[in-house]
Amino acid sequence: NAGVTQTPKFQVLKTGQSMTLQCAQDMNHEYMSWYRQDPGMGLRLIHYSVGAGITDQGEVPNGYNVSRSTTEDFPLRLLSAAPSQTSVYFCASRKIGGRSEQFFGPGTRLTVL
Amino acid sequence: AQSVTQPDIHITVSEGASLELRCNYSYGATPYLFWYVQSPGQGLQLLLKYFSGDTLVQGIKGFEAEFKRSQSSFNLRKPSVHWSDAAEYFCAVGLNTGTASKLTFGTGTRLQVTL
Repeated sequence: NAGVTQTPKFQVLKTGQSMTLQCAQDMNHEYMSWYRQDPGMGLRLIHYSVGAGITDQGEVPNGYNVSRSTTEDFPLRLLSAAPSQTSVYFCASRKIGGRSEQFFGPGTRLTVL
Repeated sequence: AQSVTQPDIHITVSEGASLELRCNYSYGATPYLFWYVQSPGQGLQLLLKYFSGDTLVQGIKGFEAEFKRSQSSFNLRKPSVHWSDAAEYFCAVGLNTGTASKLTFGTGTRLQVTL
């Protein structure tokens, strides 16, 4: 199993540009989520999904869109990048239910100029 | 809403010394509790978890944590630290209900190990 994969590893954008961060998992996990990690703030939940066709907002959803057309994939879209979105983004997945372990991808480091 | 506090931003210990990283949570019921470790440039790896039962849980890499309900704490411990333990450590709390239970993370504690 590859686990949770993310692409790209690094990305530099100009303000106003759009892009999609890719996330895929091969563990047949129903629950997938996106976090951003900023110094001194831990990980904050952006969006999450409990299954194909079902998404919901997390703690910091503004400026981001998600969709879940398949169980495996959960892309994160930046509609119009802003310098405040400079961060490290992590995708995670787990089985449904609070007792399951959450697996994290290696992260995408995004810089918005 | 649940919250997690890690009061120590940065801790330095000597190799071979014991370690305790603090974690306090705020939640009305007994939550699910987790400790994750993040090495530089890497994703997060689960060290250990507590759901119920024995309040002292063992994890990987020689780590353990103790759940203390009266203190709303879930402190991480290791008897003898190795230089490879230098990393950032995150405590997380999850709701114990429902399919959409979410994890809330603390702000992390960065561990430095001196030789």
